[in-house]
Amino acid sequence: DTEVTQTPKHLVMGMTNKKSLKCEQHMGHRAMYWYKQKAKKPPELMFVYSYEKLSINESVPSRFSPECPNSSLLNLHLHALQPEDSALYLCASSQDPTAWGTFGSGTRLTVV
Amino acid sequence: AQSVTQPDIHITVSEGASLELRCNYSYGATPYLFWYVQSPGQGLQLLLKYFSGDTLVQGIKGFEAEFKRSQSSFNLRKPSVHWSDAAEYFCAFYNNNDMRFGAGTRLTVKP
Repeated sequence: DTEVTQTPKHLVMGMTNKKSLKCEQHMGHRAMYWYKQKAKKPPELMFVYSYEKLSINESVPSRFSPECPNSSLLNLHLHALQPEDSALYLCASSQDPTAWGTFGSGTRLTVV
Repeated sequence: AQSVTQPDIHITVSEGASLELRCNYSYGATPYLFWYVQSPGQGLQLLLKYFSGDTLVQGIKGFEAEFKRSQSSFNLRKPSVHWSDAAEYFCAFYNNNDMRFGAGTRLTVKP
């Protein structure tokens, strides 16, 4: 298995909702990442997990809460989001925290 | 300040023509360098990467890139473009937990 799987592919949520994005990989990679990508913009790094520990938080608002339950799973919990948080959320993994490797197809999030 | 620049926002080439996408970085040392491709609504696919060693790097789909330290550049090339190469291309660099993407170059391929 050489893929990073993200679910759901699309998500529409209200500003008072709580939802979660899920990312899974079975390549034995020990680093996993969340990126946010606005339309026609490059991806922006949000969080880095290395060996299941949060190693980087790029000053992301607390309404985004990452979680790494095990080495194969990465979640992003969402609460009280704003319409400007609408974006493509990409997960990636790599063998080590050099931030390169395999990206998932993303979750297209719309906040209404 | 550390940065990566892709000077061309949009490039159009004819199918079968050669392609060069430009990327320049600003950093004190040599970072890890990457080229990614993204089709609409999709994730990013790694085309190639440079860490050290041979400055001409071969990637997937017939792409190659050359690292030129003197010019702080890492340009992506392909000798003959196919219609399926139409996409957004991102140059990126990584160093010490800092990962930065360029703004991207959108490639259009004319028949």
